[in-house]
Amino acid sequence: GQNIDQPTEMTATEGAIVQINCTYQTSGFNGLFWYQQHAGEAPTFLSYNVLDGLEEKGRFSSFLSRSKGYSYLLLKELQMKDSASYLCAVLYSGAGSYQLTFGKGTKLSVIP
Amino acid sequence: KAGVTQTPRYLIKTRGQQVTLSCSPISGHRSVSWYQQTPGQGLQFLFEYFSETQRNKGNFPGRFSGRQFSNSRSEMNVSTLELGDSALYLCASSRGDGDTDTQYFGPGTRLTVL
Repeated sequence: GQNIDQPTEMTATEGAIVQINCTYQTSGFNGLFWYQQHAGEAPTFLSYNVLDGLEEKGRFSSFLSRSKGYSYLLLKELQMKDSASYLCAVLYSGAGSYQLTFGKGTKLSVIP
Repeated sequence: KAGVTQTPRYLIKTRGQQVTLSCSPISGHRSVSWYQQTPGQGLQFLFEYFSETQRNKGNFPGRFSGRQFSNSRSEMNVSTLELGDSALYLCASSRGDGDTDTQYFGPGTRLTVL
């Protein structure tokens, strides 16, 4: 299978910066997504990386290194509403089709 | 543009019964993927439908099946329910045109099997 690893839980302080790491198997890689999921709600799309480097979108940035099978999501100026699970998902290709595989998610708690 | 909708939102069934869940994708999206989410396993891929055909399948038993209609709406069926089928079932829609495709999720159906 294609294992995607990310920390189970993280805690950070309001106003701080937090980095959530994700490692994945590189064979068949076709892109990486980050989703945010608040408790009891559906995942919502945050970012997409397919080339190496940093993609910035407001307070959120996502980085990808394809050769290392590594990505991170950077959240700046943390707010209480950022408390949620963050899901790393990799699009794998094979036999002419694509499949999105998710990590188990990182539960982020933002404390005052 | 309306988002992905799923019905019902909550469902309680007993072991051995069957259940059908429905998903209406975003207008213009032709791909619908189904996922099972549990606290222990996270989001696990069930299958994907594109243009009324199953294009991709995860590692779930044959009790889990689906179909897609000509208007891209999709249904998922689970037969002979087991306690372990209790989960949040999410569907996601996308254009379906491959490698830069973003999936957008519906609110999910919370299934409880007693």
